[in-house]
Amino acid sequence: KAGVTQTPRYLIKTRGQQVTLSCSPISGHRSVSWYQQTPGQGLQFLFEYFSETQRNKGNFPGRFSGRQFSNSRSEMNVSTLELGDSALYLCASSLLEGGSGYTFGSGTRLTVV
Amino acid sequence: SQQGEEDPQALSIQEGENATMNCSYKTSINNLQWYRQNSGRGLVHLILIRSNEREKHSGRLRVTLDTSKKSSSLLITASRAADTASYFCATVSSNDYKLSFGAGTTVTVRA
Repeated sequence: KAGVTQTPRYLIKTRGQQVTLSCSPISGHRSVSWYQQTPGQGLQFLFEYFSETQRNKGNFPGRFSGRQFSNSRSEMNVSTLELGDSALYLCASSLLEGGSGYTFGSGTRLTVV
Repeated sequence: SQQGEEDPQALSIQEGENATMNCSYKTSINNLQWYRQNSGRGLVHLILIRSNEREKHSGRLRVTLDTSKKSSSLLITASRAADTASYFCATVSSNDYKLSFGAGTTVTVRA
């Protein structure tokens, strides 16, 4: 069974640009969550999607958005990038909506210069 | 903001020794989970304990949960060099089912 796949693995962007990250969950998993991990703030919840609907959202500005497609694949978009957006972005999938164990991808390392 | 506080922040032990780390949280939970992360890679789910459970075992792992004290502990017995990693507790809120992580404990197992 393939795990959670995140692409790309590494990304370098310039301030002001926008970026789209992709996450393919484990086959059959309908819940996808996104997290930002930085040395200073740790793991911060961004949002959770289930059956193409956003179920939960963390405390991030509107520059951070996401969506989920009918095949449960999810994308996360960050517009007008700032230096502070440099982080490891982790995606996790779960069979059920909220509450059960999550399987994480290896993450996308975003560097904003 | 983070739900959990972990203690200690870092732990260094000899191979074969036990490692214990603690997690405290603030709000009402549905369950509490422990994850391991190696060198900034993805997190690996270790164990889930529900709010009505007090103790759970999985291999060399033992987790306890005290909802009255809003705390949990993870014990790794007979540690190995491969256990060197960061360990995170994560709580699922009973209000909105969000998964919130603590700051983590970095464990170094010396050969």
